[in-house]
Amino acid sequence: QKEVEQNSGPLSVPEGAIASLNCTYSDRGSQSFFWYRQYSGKSPELIMSIYSNGDKEDGRFTAQLNKASQYVSLLIRDSQPSDSATYLCAVSPGGNNRLAFGKGNQVVVIP
Amino acid sequence: DTGVSQNPRHKITKRGQNVTFRCDPISEHNRLYWYRQTLGQGPEFLTYFQNEAQLEKSRLLSDRFSAERPKGSFSTLEIQRTEQGDSAMYLCASSLAGTETYNEQFFGPGTRLTVL
Repeated sequence: QKEVEQNSGPLSVPEGAIASLNCTYSDRGSQSFFWYRQYSGKSPELIMSIYSNGDKEDGRFTAQLNKASQYVSLLIRDSQPSDSATYLCAVSPGGNNRLAFGKGNQVVVIP
Repeated sequence: DTGVSQNPRHKITKRGQNVTFRCDPISEHNRLYWYRQTLGQGPEFLTYFQNEAQLEKSRLLSDRFSAERPKGSFSTLEIQRTEQGDSAMYLCASSLAGTETYNEQFFGPGTRLTVL
């Protein structure tokens, strides 16, 4: 079983719409959760961190964490063409400082 | 405020040669991490340091890979006897331990290695 799974294929959304990304993780002891944005050919850029159950909002981004279901999501409101990128879910498995990453979800915002 | 820097940005080498990469973390960060990323995959953890101590290495990490952080500042990652399968983007990240933003890791631009 993979530590972090992002199963959705490429996501195409019209400009101004909401993009929704999901991620599940296997280690119930995981304590910190992150979303990174990665443009083609560039390194990952941290956009959201979340540590407790519930929602966390930062600008147009909202991260949601449900530890009981071992599920993390990211919502991007009012999507812009500049949001077109791959979004990586990352988790610190329980007791570890390393990050385990999913494969990423590509988002394409269509003007 | 400078971010994480990595050198070189690109490296092309022939199979069997040794290569060394350097990472300079954000100045006040005491943790430094190395990851490797291949096309279509998320970054894969290699090893990490807290100050000068190497605290964890991936079980998948070949003995050909070695990392150091001699004075708790910059770090080097050496790959000996490179193989074509080592071709990847090598990413360095840093974080500050003991803060509310626990384990937020910030990545450098990466070093792209191509082994011919």
